[in-house]
Order: sequence, then C-alpha cells, then structure tokens
Amino acid sequence: DGGITQSPKYLFRKEGQNVTLSCEQNLNHDAMYWYRQDPGQGLRLIYYSQIVNDFQKGDIAEGYSVSREKKESFPLTVTSAQKNPTAFYLCASSRQGRETHYEQYFGPGTRLTVT
Amino acid sequence: GENVEQHPSTLSVQEGDSAVIKCTYSDSASNYFPWYKQELGKRPQLIIDIRSNVGEKKDQRIAVTLNKTAKHFSLHITETQPEDSAVYFCAEKTSGGSYIPTFGRGTSLIVHP
Repeated sequence: DGGITQSPKYLFRKEGQNVTLSCEQNLNHDAMYWYRQDPGQGLRLIYYSQIVNDFQKGDIAEGYSVSREKKESFPLTVTSAQKNPTAFYLCASSRQGRETHYEQYFGPGTRLTVT
Repeated sequence: GENVEQHPSTLSVQEGDSAVIKCTYSDSASNYFPWYKQELGKRPQLIIDIRSNVGEKKDQRIAVTLNKTAKHFSLHITETQPEDSAVYFCAEKTSGGSYIPTFGRGTSLIVHP
C-alpha cells in the first residue's frame, strides 16, 4: 500500500456536525476524485479536481465541499446539509489527459457513521 | 460517458466454474472500458481494461470482450477460485469529452469452494 492514503479509516460524528476526510497522494497525479459508495449503488462521484486550485462538482455534490490547495491533497468536508452522510468514502487519483486513458488509483477509504 | 448498466448484481458459482459479468453503455463515443475488483473491506483495483480498437483482451484467467455495435462489454473469469470472490465494477470513458469514468453499480461474485 502507499501512494494514496485516507484517514481516518473509521469516523463517527453526531448529526449536525461538519467533518473533514483527508486524502493524500504521492504519485504526482494531477487529477483527484471523491466517490461515495453505498451498497448496491456502485461508485458515485462527489467532486473531482484536475489541477491545483480548481475543482468541479460530480453527480452528488450537494452537502459536500472540497479544496485543492496542494497537488498532493484533496480533503472532503461533509457538511451538516448532507441529508444522509453515513457511507463509505473513497478518494482516487490519476494522471491527466483527455485523449489518453489512465488508471484510477484508489485510497483505502473512510467509513463515516453519523448518528 | 453517460449511463452504464451492469448485470447481474450478484453472481454465485462453484469453484472451477466460469463467471461472466456484462455491462452495457449508451454513449457511442465511449472508447475505454476498465474493470475494477474490490475485495471485502479493501480498495478497488484495476484488473483489466480494453480500448475500443480491440475486440478481446486476455490476462491469464480473466478476459474482457467488447461489442461496439451492441454497446456492451463483458468480463469473463475462468476456473474461478475462492479468492476471486469480490465486487467487480465496470466503467467506461469517452475520449474528447469528460475524462471522468462512469462506473456500473457493481457485481458481487461469490465463489463457493
């Protein structure tokens, strides 16, 4: 393992609190992504970033926010506005290129439980 | 890419049997089709991929086939082993448009010893 890391592995929060999930990569990848995984739902894209200081909403961005101040880091904040935040969150990174397809490397994930 | 449908959602086989998972897509511009394997509690990892200029690709016991006319691609696992038990995700990407892959909902493969 290594290359792309997420912390913590398990996270518990009370409803109404914001929580930030960490994602770091040392692969020198330009692109980073956040996915949410629920049983039977596959991988749903929350946010992605192609370059430092720029990011785009994915399919389910409501109630989440991100920042990309450094190439290596792409933290995700789950805000109190997210109605159903309990899920498994996966961060990924990849090389960049519209005409070339690159593998996505996933982190180990963070399981967030909100009660 | 737009939508990608993956079937079946669950597949149970006996050790030694073959397993086939199929995905269909709607965007005719899709030209890259990776497959990821996610073992229980672990991260998804790429196991095989295929580009649109190829009809089939093999890597030991796994193979992927692509039918561009029908817009579907399939993962084939032969001589299944218990360690093949995992969730498998297909994905597709479109060149020239969004470079973000679209994932299927996953297939839970259970190989019984």
